[in-house]
Amino acid sequence: AQTVTQSQPEMSVQEAETVTLSCTYDTSESDYYLFWYKQPPSRQMILVIRQEAYKQQNATENRFSVNFQKAAKSFSLKISDSQLGDAAMYFCAYRVSGNTPLVFGKGTRLSVIA
Amino acid sequence: GAVVSQHPSWVICKSGTSVKIECRSLDFQATTMFWYRQFPKQSLMLMATSNEGSKATYEQGVEKDKFLINHASLTLSTLTVTSAHPEDSSFYICSARVGRGVGQPQHFGDGTRLSIL
Repeated sequence: AQTVTQSQPEMSVQEAETVTLSCTYDTSESDYYLFWYKQPPSRQMILVIRQEAYKQQNATENRFSVNFQKAAKSFSLKISDSQLGDAAMYFCAYRVSGNTPLVFGKGTRLSVIA
Repeated sequence: GAVVSQHPSWVICKSGTSVKIECRSLDFQATTMFWYRQFPKQSLMLMATSNEGSKATYEQGVEKDKFLINHASLTLSTLTVTSAHPEDSSFYICSARVGRGVGQPQHFGDGTRLSIL
């Protein structure tokens, strides 16, 4: 079974500081993608960043970057220069090829302290 | 970018009534749509996978007769909660993907908050 584990139910960070959210996954597949989604209080699901398993280079989107460790099956999200608008639930997700849905972790609630 | 429209955003109804939630892909054709349910402070739980022109595939534990899914066209999927009861109150989110490529992101609707009195 495919599983995604987010071991930090809650995290907090000072505004302008850096925070890292952890995520591990379990799969026997070789072709898959990993995603981080953000869900603010409005409950809209927003794609933050994605990473292809075949790519060794870590994905980066502005202040968001990942540390992808394939052998360790780890996919952490780093948020630099944290802003108040970054406060949200963050979900790590995984999907293999084919007509398959995203599998989500339980989420990490991030608070940003002014 | 790809947009998924979900309607209504919030519905309150009496116990025993049926409620229909629509999910539309506005600028792309979605051969597959997914329906999720989310309880407060919890993650998204996949309910079913909806394929255009065929029967939906339900996850284990999801009642097919309670949650009717219809995917009549490449841009519209509907979820009908039949004979709704207070325990069906939840946040329902639909999602659609362009194509089947593993890297294609899933685009989400804004969700429907369902409250059964």
